[in-house]
Amino acid sequence: EAAVTQSPRSKVAVTGGKVTLSCHQTNNHDYMYWYRQDTGHGLRLIHYSYVADSTEKGDIPDGYKASRPSQENFSLILELASLSQTAVYFCASSDVGTGGANTQYFGPGTRLLVL
Amino acid sequence: GEKVEQHESTLSVREGDSAVINCTYTDTASSYFPWYKQEAGKSLHFVIDIRSNVDRKQSQRLIVLLDKKAKRFSLHITATQPEDSAIYFCAARESSGSWQLIFGSGTQLTVMP
Repeated sequence: EAAVTQSPRSKVAVTGGKVTLSCHQTNNHDYMYWYRQDTGHGLRLIHYSYVADSTEKGDIPDGYKASRPSQENFSLILELASLSQTAVYFCASSDVGTGGANTQYFGPGTRLLVL
Repeated sequence: GEKVEQHESTLSVREGDSAVINCTYTDTASSYFPWYKQEAGKSLHFVIDIRSNVDRKQSQRLIVLLDKKAKRFSLHITATQPEDSAIYFCAARESSGSWQLIFGSGTQLTVMP
């Protein structure tokens, strides 16, 4: 059973529109993350959360909001989508293991195209 | 904050040969270094990691080496197979307590028959 799921798997949005990406995990992990992946780049962290009802900014939070209503669910919100937000978005979850190991488990990704 | 540089953007090897991917990091206090694999059109999955209390770790055909003095770590894939073809990402965990992983830019490994 997939432990981290994302919806939708792909989306076409219009510039200036609102987009919500959803993530659900069944790993019972405290930490959840949103990354974006662009061709030629690694993963860049947008927002993360370590407890329900609280979110933290990552490295590139501008233009994005996040919401963590429960341990299992984490959403990424683009209030005013822009062309530059066309990318693949990955959600991940993790816990803090022995010695600070932080193995992250990734969802299948959402391919977002903003026109 | 931590920065991770992944030196090879592409790497091609013959099936059966070894592949080596190198990464460097900037924060001397970093203590956890995982590697992830992304097959074409798919998501990332964890393959192996190393903590700073050791300098070598092996899992089947995968070997990770860590040189803390040089702030460098590397992934060695021995006896490569076509299914090893993928993008490999190195990462380092922030030492600031946020548990954030900083990823390298990825290496596209192609194993040629």
